[in-house]
Amino acid sequence: AQKVTQAQTEISVVEKEDVTLDCVYETRDTTYYLFWYKQPPSGELVFLIRRNSFDEQNEISGRYSWNFQKSTSSFNFTITASQVVDSAVYFCALSTSNFGKGTSLLVTP
Amino acid sequence: GAVVSQHPSWVICKSGTSVKIECRSLDFQATTMFWYRQFPKQSLMLMATSNEGSKATYEQGVEKDKFLINHASLTLSTLTVTSAHPEDSSFYICSAPRVKGRETQYFGPGTRLLVL
Repeated sequence: AQKVTQAQTEISVVEKEDVTLDCVYETRDTTYYLFWYKQPPSGELVFLIRRNSFDEQNEISGRYSWNFQKSTSSFNFTITASQVVDSAVYFCALSTSNFGKGTSLLVTP
Repeated sequence: GAVVSQHPSWVICKSGTSVKIECRSLDFQATTMFWYRQFPKQSLMLMATSNEGSKATYEQGVEKDKFLINHASLTLSTLTVTSAHPEDSSFYICSAPRVKGRETQYFGPGTRLLVL
């Protein structure tokens, strides 16, 4: 069975702090894809990243970075120097069909 | 700007009526589109994968006769909720993958359905 666990339900940080959102997954597939999405209060989802299981390189995109560790089945997401506009619910997903329950991030000024 | 549109953005209907939701890819062709539903403060649930020119693939537990999907062109997929009931009230979201250099998944803005 496939499963995605986002243990952090809600996180609150002060602007400019770094924050890491955890994602742990379970799958028996040898080939799979992992995703992160952002859902701001408006409701419209924003795709952030897609990573395939063969690519364990960490990725950085501006203030965002992702740490993929196959050994621990984790695909964690870090926001550096958080901003108020980062406030949203963030979903980690395994393929297009298995979403975690989301982590609600609140960044306060 | 948005590359996937959804219409309507919200709809209120009476129990027993059918509601059609359109999902369009605006500046790219999408042979595949995905339909999700999301209950308040919950995660997304994949309902079905819409394939242009062929039948949709439904996830387990999703009634294909209730949620009719038609992907008639490379830029349009429709989801029809037939004989809607209050329990069908939800936020319906479509998405389409786009491969241009690096694959990206674009989401529509969603359709909020309220069945009275």
